[in-house]
Amino acid sequence: AQTVTQSQPEMSVQEAETVTLSCTYDTSESDYYLFWYKQPPSRQMILVIRQEAYKQQNATENRFSVNFQKAAKSFSLKISDSQLGDAAMYFCAYTPLPGGGADGLTFGKGTHLIIQP
Amino acid sequence: DADVTQTPRNRITKTGKRIMLECSQTKGHDRMYWYRQDPGLGLRLIYYSFDVKDINKGEISDGYSVSRQAQAKFSLSLESAIPNQTALYFCATAGGPQETQYFGPGTRLLVL
Repeated sequence: AQTVTQSQPEMSVQEAETVTLSCTYDTSESDYYLFWYKQPPSRQMILVIRQEAYKQQNATENRFSVNFQKAAKSFSLKISDSQLGDAAMYFCAYTPLPGGGADGLTFGKGTHLIIQP
Repeated sequence: DADVTQTPRNRITKTGKRIMLECSQTKGHDRMYWYRQDPGLGLRLIYYSFDVKDINKGEISDGYSVSRQAQAKFSLSLESAIPNQTALYFCATAGGPQETQYFGPGTRLLVL
């Protein structure tokens, strides 16, 4: 079974600085999809960024970028110029099939990101 | 208006009661999911539906049942609620050009 590991239960960063959240995963598949979701106190699950394993280029979305290391099975999220609104739980997720297939997404346990003003 | 809605948003019930959580979507996606979130455990899959005729059990389906009434509606039932089913429940749809999962706002359930 696939597993997703987020080794940092909590991270803290000063406003305007850069922070990196770690995620590793275990799979025997060669093609798969990786996601970062943000869950603010409102508890809504918000897609931050998406990466397809067959694409070598790292995905970016404004201040959010990933460092995808396929051989190392690592998928870290970098948040630049951190803002107070970035404070949330961040979940890394994996699926071998587009959209999730019959097994849905496999989630890590999350990293609680604190932004210090 | 939100593309994926869930009702109720919060629910308190007693052990042994039957309850239903409802999910509706306007995204036109065929695939719908129910997940459960417990503190410190991330989200885990309860049930998945590919379309109105296709329902599949997920990792933690025991104690739950589902009904796909239409493409847009997917309901989760707890036949006899127990306290360890206290959790945050999410409905999600999957589709679109990016084949992404889109989540509802969640239902917080407390079983006393």
